Amino acid sequence: GENVEQHPSTLSVQEGDSAVIKCTYSDSASNYFPWYKQELGKGPQLIIDIRSNVGEKKDQRIAVTLNKTAKHFSLHITETQPEDSAVYFCAVQYSGAGSYQLTFGKGTKLSVIP
Amino acid sequence: ETGVTQTPRHLVMGMTNKKSLKCEQHLGHNAMYWYKQSAKKPLELMFVYSLEERVENNSVPSRFSPECPNSSHLFLHLHTLQPEDSALYLCASSLTWGGGWGDTQYFGPGTRLTVL
Repeated sequence: GENVEQHPSTLSVQEGDSAVIKCTYSDSASNYFPWYKQELGKGPQLIIDIRSNVGEKKDQRIAVTLNKTAKHFSLHITETQPEDSAVYFCAVQYSGAGSYQLTFGKGTKLSVIP
Repeated sequence: ETGVTQTPRHLVMGMTNKKSLKCEQHLGHNAMYWYKQSAKKPLELMFVYSLEERVENNSVPSRFSPECPNSSHLFLHLHTLQPEDSALYLCASSLTWGGGWGDTQYFGPGTRLTVL
């Protein structure tokens, strides 16, 4: 099965600075990599995703980069704002052997200091 | 309502009780999921239903019993739970299961379950 490592587990940044969260995965057959944001008392919300045929994707202040060779992908948040404070999860979908489960990282708690 | 809804939002039950969690999706999706979220652990997939057929069961104890009467509704029936089952139970849905280039999953707000 797939193994996903997410770092760091906690991250504090000043408002306006950038934040980067990195995930590594083990199986080269994985082809879908979403990122979720979870605010207190809410379920995870998809913020951006990338598929293995693309190296980078941007959506306003959020971007994701994928390095298939090194088997890692990263979430980049620029010009951070206090409302970006939340727990962020990466996930990987492995498409081998008929199983399409998402395997999640343990999460990164991001705190944006005003 | 839109998206994925879950009821109740909070549930406290004793170990001998029987209760059910309900999930409803308004997205026209064909796959639905139950996840367990415990502190300091990754989300754990429990069950997957695709077109009302269970396609994944990740070694979940039989005290958790899922039911999918149609593609919009998913239930999780609970009986004789243990205190370690206390967690946030999340429902999710996606358009397909095994859709080739990835199945984007949309989550509900969860049910916070406490077992006394």
